Amino acid sequence: NAGVTQTPKFQVLKTGQSMTLQCAQDMNHEYMSWYRQDPGMGLRLIHYSVGAGITDQGEVPNGYNVSRSTTEDFPLRLLSAAPSQTSVYFCASTRDRGFSGAFFGQGTRLTVV
Amino acid sequence: GQQLNQSPQSMFIQEGEDVSMNCTSSSIFNTWLWYKQDPGEGPVLLIALYKAGELTSNGRLTAQFGITRKDSFLNISASIPSDVGIYFCAGRKGGSQGNLIFGKGTKLSVKP
Repeated sequence: NAGVTQTPKFQVLKTGQSMTLQCAQDMNHEYMSWYRQDPGMGLRLIHYSVGAGITDQGEVPNGYNVSRSTTEDFPLRLLSAAPSQTSVYFCASTRDRGFSGAFFGQGTRLTVV
Repeated sequence: GQQLNQSPQSMFIQEGEDVSMNCTSSSIFNTWLWYKQDPGEGPVLLIALYKAGELTSNGRLTAQFGITRKDSFLNISASIPSDVGIYFCAGRKGGSQGNLIFGKGTKLSVKP
């Protein structure tokens, strides 16, 4: 099983550029979420989705957009990259909104210069 | 935002030692989860706790859901070198959203 697959693994952007971080899961999970991980900050929720067509904001949503057109995919869009968005981004999926714990992808390390 | 206080921030272990770490909050949680993260990887779930007072083991790992529902503890017995990494606690409140809130992590390293 692939689980949760994130692409790319590494990315360097210039300030002002836009890009999409891809996330796909093959476990038929309804609930998917995006986190960012910064040194000493733990993981912070950016956006989440409780099913296809339904998304909502997490703790740190500014500068990011999401959509959920299928159960499998949950892309994260950076609209106009800023150095403050330099971070490691993790996508996660759960069967039941987190009761049984989230499965995480391997992460995307993003640097904005 | 809401926070979980995880301690210690870091610790050094010697092979064979027991290790303890904990997570506290001012809020009540319905679920407590413990994750381990290796360098360059995403967090991996170790133990999930669903009831106050619950004590659950996974091999040499044991975790407890505090009676007050505001804290949780993780113990690792007889540590081995592959235990090094960052351990995160996460709490989940009830309700329709119930997103996970993560602690800042405890970094386990090997004593030089």
